[in-house]
Order: sequence, then structure tokens, then C-alpha cells
Amino acid sequence: DQQVKQNSPSLSVQEGRISILNCDYTNSMFDYFLWYKKYPAEGPTFLISISSIKDKNEDGRFTVFLNKSAKHLSLHIVPSQPGDSAVYFCAAPPNTGNQFYFGTGTSLTVIP
Amino acid sequence: DVKVTQSSRYLVKRTGEKVFLECVQDMDHENMFWYRQDPGLGLRLIYFSYDVKMKEKGDIPEGYSVSREKKERFSLILESASTNQTSMYLCASSLPWTGVEQYFGPGTRLTVT
Repeated sequence: DQQVKQNSPSLSVQEGRISILNCDYTNSMFDYFLWYKKYPAEGPTFLISISSIKDKNEDGRFTVFLNKSAKHLSLHIVPSQPGDSAVYFCAAPPNTGNQFYFGTGTSLTVIP
Repeated sequence: DVKVTQSSRYLVKRTGEKVFLECVQDMDHENMFWYRQDPGLGLRLIYFSYDVKMKEKGDIPEGYSVSREKKERFSLILESASTNQTSMYLCASSLPWTGVEQYFGPGTRLTVT
């Protein structure tokens, strides 16, 4: 049972426009969410996180929004750049234990 | 700067061979993890370890075993490789608290023929 879902496997956006990547989850007990970015032939790297006590967290061009009632979070990239082309994973840790639940990833292509 | 290294970037093995994938981290992290990444399936947890000689099964442990004899090193073992174990294998490490960031190695692309 997939506890963290990314329903869009791919997304293409023009350079300079906004990229919006979506993630849904099923467990209302999750209290922390993370986004990772992965380039081909490299391991994922941490991008941005958000605690469930917040509804927004911003870091430069990257903003994550959390809608707890809808069990939905989204990552906004503004403006998108060709170097942002990568696979993006959302993840959530269970309240106990140390592992993460990862989504299936969204492959973002930013077209110059 | 956290560093997680994996012994091989690319590996080709034959069906039935025993395969060892090694992971080393230099940040004195208690937790270490092995994932596999497959198209459309995301990252799936195979095993994790929260201390030396301790291990826990993840979501897909069948066909795999692990070894953690030293804190910095976590090995993934395929006892008898099969073609359905062709995948990208990713090792990660983290501090022992829930929700903290995991640091990933570069991955090993394993092909079993």
C-alpha cells in the first residue's frame, strides 16, 4: 500500500515558468515531509522539507505547500531553470522508526 | 560534508552469482539503509540498520541479506542473483532521529544477465 503517492510521472515546463510537482499521502499521522531531487546516475539529494505544523516553507526558488485537510503537498519552483531537470521524490517518515516512505517520483524537464 | 560512497557505480553479474554491494559513510551515522530504484516504482526499502550488527527488514527483503559489522559500513548481499534484481541500488545514512534527512550515495547500477 503506497502511503506517499506522486500521480504524475513526468512534467515539462518552459524555462522561466513555474513548475508545480504534487504529492498525496494517506497517513494523517505523518508530521514531516521532505522533497528530494535526483539526477541520473547520482543519488538523491535533500531539497526542502516542511513540518506538519506549517502550511508553507520557502527556500529561494523552491516553496513547499502543505494542505493537511486534503493530505496533499506540492513543490513550486519559480522560475524554473534547465538545471532543475531531474526526478523529484516526496517522502515522509513514520512517527516511529527511521525509514522513509518515498513516492514514485516525478521527472521534471525544463525546456530552454 | 557528509559522504556516502558505494563500492561500484556499475556492475554486471550472471544469474546465480553471489553479489556484494558495499556502502561506507564517514559521518558516524547510526542509521544506514539500502533501497532499490526502479522506473515507476520509486525508491523501495530493502533493509535498514540502526546499529552495528542490528538490521530490520524493509518492504522488499526477499532475495537479499545485509551485514553491518562496523558502524561506517553496510553491505547488501544478493545470495543468488536473478534477472529481476537488475536495478539501481542506493545506500543512505542518517542520524537516529525520526524525520531527519537521509544522505545518499551515488548508486550502483546492477545488471544481472
